[in-house]
Amino acid sequence: AQSVTQPDIHITVSEGASLELRCNYSYGATPYLFWYVQSPGQGLQLLLKYFSGDTLVQGIKGFEAEFKRSQSSFNLRKPSVHWSDAAEYFCAVVPNSGNTPLVFGKGTRLSVIA
Amino acid sequence: NAGVTQTPKFQVLKTGQSMTLQCAQDMNHNSMYWYRQDPGMGLRLIYYSASEGTTDKGEVPNGYNVSRLNKREFSLRLESAAPSQTSVYFCASSRGQGGYGYTFGSGTRLTVV
Repeated sequence: AQSVTQPDIHITVSEGASLELRCNYSYGATPYLFWYVQSPGQGLQLLLKYFSGDTLVQGIKGFEAEFKRSQSSFNLRKPSVHWSDAAEYFCAVVPNSGNTPLVFGKGTRLSVIA
Repeated sequence: NAGVTQTPKFQVLKTGQSMTLQCAQDMNHNSMYWYRQDPGMGLRLIYYSASEGTTDKGEVPNGYNVSRLNKREFSLRLESAAPSQTSVYFCASSRGQGGYGYTFGSGTRLTVV
């Protein structure tokens, strides 16, 4: 079945350490790709998106993501994590770059320790 | 500067009761969506409206109905609430389908007892 997979349910990192959150998709054609963040008790906020072109995209709050077609992946990275980055992160795709709604992964919860 | 407004923020229903969740956006967006969020399940699409006057089923439409009242408002109705509908409900809007990012409301936490 076509899907969006976030393999890590929960990740804990130390403040100041680097971060990589994984996302894989299983659609035939390259989809539109997004990362959203959800702080506790809040709605979702768009971090960044990829449609085409440069495979490394920059987002808000110092996040970036790299699209790798060969691996069907769109991993989110941050060089140095801050305590305020503790939240839940969702990868989402528009399958096959069509005119259809977003399909979300199940999310990765990030905890940040001192 | 409101964005997407959802009401109510919290609700407790008894099994079999009905209610309507309201959603309004002030960004002149064409498309609107209702998702539910359950622990470990991510967000699953209930219904969406690609444009005013149209609605379509998503992944989990059973037990729900929607109305796109006008371009601004998109409501979600539970006719006979069940405990399985206990969830957090998010409304979102976008300029259009496809590659446009979504703007989300802050959610409605619904408990059905």
